[in-house]
Amino acid sequence: QQQVRQSSQSLTVWEGETAILNCSYENSAFDYFPWYQQFPGEGPALLIAIRSVSDKKEDGRFTIFFNKREKNLSLHIKDSQPGDSATYFCAASGEDTNAYKVIFGKGTHLHVLP
Amino acid sequence: NAGVIQTPRHKVTGKGQEATLWCEPISGHSAVFWYRQTIVQGLEFLTYFRNQAPIDDSGMPKERFSAQMPNQSHSTLKIQSTQPQDSAVYLCASSLDAGTEVFFGKGTRLTVV
Repeated sequence: QQQVRQSSQSLTVWEGETAILNCSYENSAFDYFPWYQQFPGEGPALLIAIRSVSDKKEDGRFTIFFNKREKNLSLHIKDSQPGDSATYFCAASGEDTNAYKVIFGKGTHLHVLP
Repeated sequence: NAGVIQTPRHKVTGKGQEATLWCEPISGHSAVFWYRQTIVQGLEFLTYFRNQAPIDDSGMPKERFSAQMPNQSHSTLKIQSTQPQDSAVYLCASSLDAGTEVFFGKGTRLTVV
């Protein structure tokens, strides 16, 4: 059972467009949702995160929209740049006995064409 | 702060041999994680330690995989009798506290031939 699902394995946009990466989750106990960015040969690195008490988190060109009722969230990358080409992982963890454990989706490969 | 350090970066083993992967977490972090990354499965959780104690190994293939954390400065992941399907990038990560940023190492790419 995939607890965190990313709807697209791959996404291609043109430079300057807004890339939208979608994610859904199963466990209602999840309350912390980070997005990680990974470049080839590197480990994933935290990009932006949201807690379930909020419905939006913005950091520069990156925005998370969160819908607790529908158990889904999306990462919007405004004015996409070729340097944004990477794999993006949606992740989740919860305030339960296993609060440290972070579950990742399978990732979305974003390609930004110049 | 050098971040999470994993050694070696690449390892090639013959089928049936043993492989040991090393991880040095960020000093002061209480949780240490191991993940396996493949194209097909993405990032799979294997196991984690908190304050050196094993907490959750639900992702570990039980028979040939084992992980240890003998002290707060390093953890090892050992795979016995390696099989071609064990080929993957193994990522170690650490975090300061629950619900905080998890920092990843660059990974060890294991190839079983």
